[in-house]
Amino acid sequence: GEDVEQSLFLSVREGDSSVINCTYTDSSSTYLYWYKQEPGAGLQLLTYIFSNMDMKQDQRLTVLLNKKDKHLSLRIADTQTGDSAIYFCASQGKLIFGQGTTLQVKP
Amino acid sequence: DTGVSQNPRHKITKRGQNVTFRCDPISEHNRLYWYRQTLGQGPEFLTYFQNEAQLEKSRLLSDRFSAERPKGSFSTLEIQRTEQGDSAMYLCASRAPGSTGELFFGEGSRLTVL
Repeated sequence: GEDVEQSLFLSVREGDSSVINCTYTDSSSTYLYWYKQEPGAGLQLLTYIFSNMDMKQDQRLTVLLNKKDKHLSLRIADTQTGDSAIYFCASQGKLIFGQGTTLQVKP
Repeated sequence: DTGVSQNPRHKITKRGQNVTFRCDPISEHNRLYWYRQTLGQGPEFLTYFQNEAQLEKSRLLSDRFSAERPKGSFSTLEIQRTEQGDSAMYLCASRAPGSTGELFFGEGSRLTVL
């Protein structure tokens, strides 16, 4: 069946760049998404990318998509302590989520 | 506030009891989704509605689970004869018609089965 996989944990220092990676199996997805979940809160859409794009930039966020390898990444520039959260990638349809990557930002 | 609203936020129950969760989506959203999330995992799809029609159910949704959306607005998720393994956060999300597929999530209803 459809599957999405992510690394589980990433720790960076404030001001550094963070790169969160994801692989997926559903090649029919028209859109791929990055969601953020802060403690005790629901998920919030951060950004998405259309499947015919290789890259999308949105302020400090850059999404890279390699369709051939079914690999998606989220780069956060100038990471801040407020970026500490769990990040989920998801493929379209009924949205299959990865396990989530916990981003820890050290001051 | 016009976001997705879920009630109750936290429910503690004894094994064997029935529980019901309610979700009020964003008013013009025609699609409504239920997910279950356990600690350290991503949300797992349970079921979704388009208007009042339940279009898909996950194999995770045993016959003890039932979801309804009778008038195409709010939805309920009922769990009968709860088991300890049902303890989880139940998330509801809604989606606007013709959108890029973005889901708007509620804050979830946490179920603890003792």
